[in-house]
Amino acid sequence: KQEVTQIPAALSVPEGENLVLNCSFTDSAIYNLQWFRQDPGKGLTSLLLIQSSQREQTSGRLNASLDKSSGRSTLYIAASQPGDSATYLCAGLHGSSNTGKLIFGQGTTLQVKP
Amino acid sequence: GAGVSQSPSNKVTEKGKDVELRCDPISGHTALYWYRQSLGQGLEFLIYFQGNSAPDKSGLPSDRFSAERTGGSVSTLTIQRTQQEDSAVYLCASSSGGQSSYEQYFGPGTRLTVT
Repeated sequence: KQEVTQIPAALSVPEGENLVLNCSFTDSAIYNLQWFRQDPGKGLTSLLLIQSSQREQTSGRLNASLDKSSGRSTLYIAASQPGDSATYLCAGLHGSSNTGKLIFGQGTTLQVKP
Repeated sequence: GAGVSQSPSNKVTEKGKDVELRCDPISGHTALYWYRQSLGQGLEFLIYFQGNSAPDKSGLPSDRFSAERTGGSVSTLTIQRTQQEDSAVYLCASSSGGQSSYEQYFGPGTRLTVT
């Protein structure tokens, strides 16, 4: 059974710091990995999608990497800002390339202090 | 453009009642998903529709849960004889295809409270 773990569960940093959020999965048979952001009381906003054939994706200050052999993905946030405060979720598409079943981690709640 | 919409945004119901939750996917998206987010359980997959294929119902927690998708667009998730453990936020997502190359885009969710 695929399990996705995110470390740390919570993180508080001062504004301007660079930070790394970690995601690990037990089954390397994932077909993509998506990072999401969730603000309190809101739905999920897709940040980055990494295909299984890719190693990383970048969008602005965000960079996500995927290492299937070690079962890990990281989300790097450069020059963090208070507006980055949210819960970050990683999710792996598991089972087959034609399934929609995303398996989610429990999330990392980030607070960026001004 | 318009994103995924869900209604109602909040629903309070008494134990034992039936509820229907609605999802309007992004126009043109062929794949639609339902997930549930509850305290202590995180986000769980419920059901997946892709075009005219039979839905993947492997995540539905019991036979009290069912979903349908009419005309390849709007979907309704129905929970019969609701129980307190059904209280959660129900999230719908859609994507432009059913394969792994497509990002899933989520709606704002319906918060269900069973009293």
